[in-house]
Amino acid sequence: DGGITQSPKYLFRKEGQNVTLSCEQNLNHDAMYWYRQDPGQGLRLIYYSQIVNDFQKGDIAEGYSVSREKKESFPLTVTSAQKNPTAFYLCASSSKFSDRGYGYTFGSGTRLTVV
Amino acid sequence: AQSVTQPDIHITVSEGASLELRCNYSYGATPYLFWYVQSPGQGLQLLLKYFSGDTLVQGIKGFEAEFKRSQSSFNLRKPSVHWSDAAEYFCAVALYGQNFVFGPGTRLSVLP
Repeated sequence: DGGITQSPKYLFRKEGQNVTLSCEQNLNHDAMYWYRQDPGQGLRLIYYSQIVNDFQKGDIAEGYSVSREKKESFPLTVTSAQKNPTAFYLCASSSKFSDRGYGYTFGSGTRLTVV
Repeated sequence: AQSVTQPDIHITVSEGASLELRCNYSYGATPYLFWYVQSPGQGLQLLLKYFSGDTLVQGIKGFEAEFKRSQSSFNLRKPSVHWSDAAEYFCAVALYGQNFVFGPGTRLSVLP
């Protein structure tokens, strides 16, 4: 079955460490997205990618970095510059960036905790 | 500024009762409209969507939503709630070529 796989499901980070969250999709979707979810704040867009080798900052990109070297993969690195990284991170994809008609497909999320 | 509001942070209903979750948007044009559901610790699942045509749309799990242009609303309804419907519900909107904007979510609790 096609879908989005996020790993790991739980991740713990020490202060000052960079960590990378994995997102892989086998839906042949062009566009991919990273969202951060905090209680009571809904979803906030971190980065998005319309096509391979291209990505743009979302609303809260500071302290995060991404790459899009393959169509299937869109990893997110939470750097030490992110002051409050504890959150639930969701990856999503859509067939085309310009076509919202079919909505997004979401992964099951990664919960990141700073220890 | 474009925005999506879900006025109810938390709603509690009894099993078997009807449900309506509210969503209002502020956009210059009619956007694409979606409702998603999220179980604890999980990703979001699409319940239904609207972008044109019949203003009453049917979705999965017995949910429906009605688009009302005059009220800039897209409220989600279910005639009889099941305990398994307890979850968080997100309304989302998007204009052509632009990113989704999600509402803050409404948490639904179901009493036995």
